[in-house]
Amino acid sequence: QKEVEQNSGPLSVPEGAIASLNCTYSDRGSQSFFWYRQYSGKSPELIMFIYSNGDKEDGRFTAQLNKASQYVSLLIRDSQPSDSATYLCAVRYSSASKIIFGSGTRLSIRP
Amino acid sequence: DAGVTQSPTHLIKTRGQHVTLRCSPISGHKSVSWYQQVLGQGPQFIFQYYEKEERGRGNFPDRFSARQFPNYSSELNVNALLLGDSALYLCASSWSGEEQFFGPGTRLTVL
Repeated sequence: QKEVEQNSGPLSVPEGAIASLNCTYSDRGSQSFFWYRQYSGKSPELIMFIYSNGDKEDGRFTAQLNKASQYVSLLIRDSQPSDSATYLCAVRYSSASKIIFGSGTRLSIRP
Repeated sequence: DAGVTQSPTHLIKTRGQHVTLRCSPISGHKSVSWYQQVLGQGPQFIFQYYEKEERGRGNFPDRFSARQFPNYSSELNVNALLLGDSALYLCASSWSGEEQFFGPGTRLTVL
C-alpha cells in the first residue's frame, strides 16, 4: 500500500479559476506536510508546509490539513498558466526522519 | 545567497561501474538528504544526514552509500550500477531536516 496517495491527473483548470489538489496519507502519526511544485525537467520547489489542523494561506496558495481524515490539500486561487506543473505532496512520518513523496498530480491551466 | 548545488549535472555510465555524486547545501544548513526520482514518480528517499551522522535510510540496496563532510557537503556513492539506477538524483538541504530545499539534480544514465 502506498503511503502517500495523489491523483496523477492531469487536472485541467481554466485560467482564473481555483485549482484543488488532494493528497491522502496512511500513517496517523505523521507530523509535517509539504507541497512542492515541479516543472518539467526541473527539481521540486517548496511551496508550503503545514503542521497543524486547519488552513494555512500564503498569497494565492492555501494548504488545508485534516489529520482525522488523513487528508491534506492545496488550493490555488486565480490560477495562471505559469501554475501548470506537477504538484508533489510530501509527508514526514513520526517514526523516522524520512520524508515520503506522493507520485504527484499534473496540473494544466488552460487560457 | 547560493542555493543547493550539485555536480555533475549529467552523467553517463555503463553497467557495473561506480558513480559519485556531490552536493553542497545552502550556507548554514546542516542536514542533507538524497532522493532518487524516476520519470513519472515522486522523489524516493535514499539517505538523510545531519551533523555528519546518518539520520535515516530508505529502502535501497547496500550498493548505495553516502557521507557528509565537516563543511556539511555530501557525497552519494553507487556501486555496481544497474540499468534501473538511471534516474534524476536530487539533493535537498535543510537547517534541521524539516523544510527541505532541492538542488538542480544530477541526471544519471546507465547504459
